[in-house]
Amino acid sequence: EDQVTQSPEALRLQEGESSSLNCSYTVSGLRGLFWYRQDPGKGPEFLFTLYSAGEEKEKERLKATLTKKESFLHITAPKPEDSATYLCAVHHGSGNTGKLIFGQGTTLQVKP
Amino acid sequence: KAGVTQTPRYLIKTRGQQVTLSCSPISGHRSVSWYQQTPGQGLQFLFEYFSETQRNKGNFPGRFSGRQFSNSRSEMNVSTLELGDSALYLCASSLDGGAEKLFFGSGTQLSVL
Repeated sequence: EDQVTQSPEALRLQEGESSSLNCSYTVSGLRGLFWYRQDPGKGPEFLFTLYSAGEEKEKERLKATLTKKESFLHITAPKPEDSATYLCAVHHGSGNTGKLIFGQGTTLQVKP
Repeated sequence: KAGVTQTPRYLIKTRGQQVTLSCSPISGHRSVSWYQQTPGQGLQFLFEYFSETQRNKGNFPGRFSGRQFSNSRSEMNVSTLELGDSALYLCASSLDGGAEKLFFGSGTQLSVL
């Protein structure tokens, strides 16, 4: 069964303290792994898509990497505004059909 | 470009009632998906519509249904509401569906009393 597991569930960092969030997945035929950010009371906001092992993508203080079994979201020198829930999802399906299977998320709190 | 718009933002219903939620996708997007988000289960896929046809469906009972109109706007309906249906219902749109990024609305928070 396709599954996505994120760890840790919650993470508290001091401003400037770098860390990584983990997303491990089991899916038959990965067609895309997605990272989203969700702020309280809002819908998820797209961050990155990774399609193949070895791929990396960066945006400001965030960097996402992908291996055959897991993905990491590295946060370098985080700021309080990076506080949010980070969701990982894998695409399940074929062709133009399919759905995203989401992990439970990692709630990040960055203290000044 | 306007984002995905969901109405209403909040709803309070009682058990046994039915409810209809509305979603207007980003202009030009033809795929609309619906997700249910709860603290215990996280985000779970309900269904996806493309060109007025349901293309994919999640593991939810038949009380959950949806439709898409010719302008790509979508509605989802939940009949005979149960307490466990209390959740944030999120709509997401994309150009053609498949393994591409989704743009989510802010959701409709449904409370069933």
